[in-house]
Amino acid sequence: QKEVEQNSGPLSVPEGAIASLNCTYSDRVSQSFFWYRQYSGKSPELIMSIYSNGDKEDGRFTAQLNKASQYVSLLIRDSQPSDSATYLCAVPPSGGSYIPTFGRGTSLIVHP
Amino acid sequence: KAGVTQTPRYLIKTRGQQVTLSCSPISGHRSVSWYQQTPGQGLQFLFEYFSETQRNKGNFPGRFSGRQFSNSRSEMNVSTLELGDSALYLCASSPGTRTGELFFGEGSRLTVL
Repeated sequence: QKEVEQNSGPLSVPEGAIASLNCTYSDRVSQSFFWYRQYSGKSPELIMSIYSNGDKEDGRFTAQLNKASQYVSLLIRDSQPSDSATYLCAVPPSGGSYIPTFGRGTSLIVHP
Repeated sequence: KAGVTQTPRYLIKTRGQQVTLSCSPISGHRSVSWYQQTPGQGLQFLFEYFSETQRNKGNFPGRFSGRQFSNSRSEMNVSTLELGDSALYLCASSPGTRTGELFFGEGSRLTVL
């Protein structure tokens, strides 16, 4: 059974700093990964998808994938208080499942 | 393009009652999945429907059930409500392929008294 592990946090960073969120996964065949952001009391929103080794940048967000180490991270540059949320990592379904596997999420707090 | 619509957004029930939640997916999406989220807990998968068929089911008791209609709209039902059923119930829509890309509705927040 696939497992996706995330540090629950909270991760606290000052405004303007780089926030680094990490995710490890047990399934060696996973080819793509997804980051969701969930504000308190709201539903998750897909913010980044990464399909190959290396980095993918989108504005202030960079997703990094290292398949050999089974590790994916999300970097948020110039963190803003509005980035304060829970970030969920997900791997796509495999085998007989059509459901992605989610980590429990990391709570990020960006303080002014 | 309209997003995922869930109704009702908020509801209060008492123990022993039942509740039905509704979800309308994004137009063209044939897969609807349901999740339960409680404070401090991650997303707990309930079930997934594709073209009116349940393809996947999570580890929830039989009190939790669902269905999908021919227009892809889905409903979930919880019977004999317990206090522990108080949660945010999220519906997610996707085209139905094996992807990790889900589009969530705003959720239905259920409080059981």
